[in-house]
Amino acid sequence: ILNVEQSPQSLHVQEGDSTNFTCSFPSSNFYALHWYRWETAKSPEALFVMTLNGDEKKKGRISATLNTKEGYSYLYIKGSQPEDSATYLCAFYNQAGTALIFGKGTTLSVSS
Amino acid sequence: DVKVTQSSRYLVKRTGEKVFLECVQDMDHENMFWYRQDPGLGLRLIYFSYDVKMKEKGDIPEGYSVSREKKERFSLILESASTNQTSMYLCASSFSGSVGYTFGSGTRLTVV
Repeated sequence: ILNVEQSPQSLHVQEGDSTNFTCSFPSSNFYALHWYRWETAKSPEALFVMTLNGDEKKKGRISATLNTKEGYSYLYIKGSQPEDSATYLCAFYNQAGTALIFGKGTTLSVSS
Repeated sequence: DVKVTQSSRYLVKRTGEKVFLECVQDMDHENMFWYRQDPGLGLRLIYFSYDVKMKEKGDIPEGYSVSREKKERFSLILESASTNQTSMYLCASSFSGSVGYTFGSGTRLTVV
C-alpha cells in the first residue's frame, strides 16, 4: 500500500497568522498530487492538482508547491481567516494506479 | 457544475443486513470511487471503477462489493453489515487523474 504522510496532524493559529503544511509521498512513478479542503458538514473540495516538478499553484491566499524528486508538497495559507478552518487533504496519484491515495489530513483551526 | 449525489445522508442498519449505498454523477465521468472515512485513519479506498461493468479493489475491499451497470451510477454493497462498517462513506467521480475529484456529500452509516 502506498503511503501519503501529512504533518502536522492538527494546527491552531490566530487570525492573520500565516501557516503551512507538509505532504510526503512516494517519489517514484509520480503522476499527480492533489490538495483538497474539507469543511465540516461539507464535501471535500479540490484546491489544486499538480503534475510537474517545481509546480506552484495559487488560489487567493492559498498556494502550493511540488517537489516530485524528493516526494513532498507544501500548502501555504497567508493571513489565515476563520473561514479557512477545515481539514486539508493531500492525495497522490501514481502512474500505475488509477485512484487517489489520501493522507490523513491536517486539521486547521483559526481563531478570531 | 458536476454533481455527485449520494442517496442517503444518514442510515441506520442492523448487523447482518444487506446494505446498498447509491451514488449517481451527472457529468459523464469514466471514473467513480468509494471511500470510507474514519477518525484518525483518513479516507481509505474501498473500490473504484473506470468503466461500466469494470471494478477494481482498493485498499480495504473486504466485506464490500460494488456494481456499475450504468456509467452514471456506482453502488456500494455491504453483503452482511457488521458494526465495524459503521463509518462515513464518500463517493467521488473524475474524468482523469489530472483533474480533481468531485465528491458526494457522504452517507453516515451506523450498524447496530
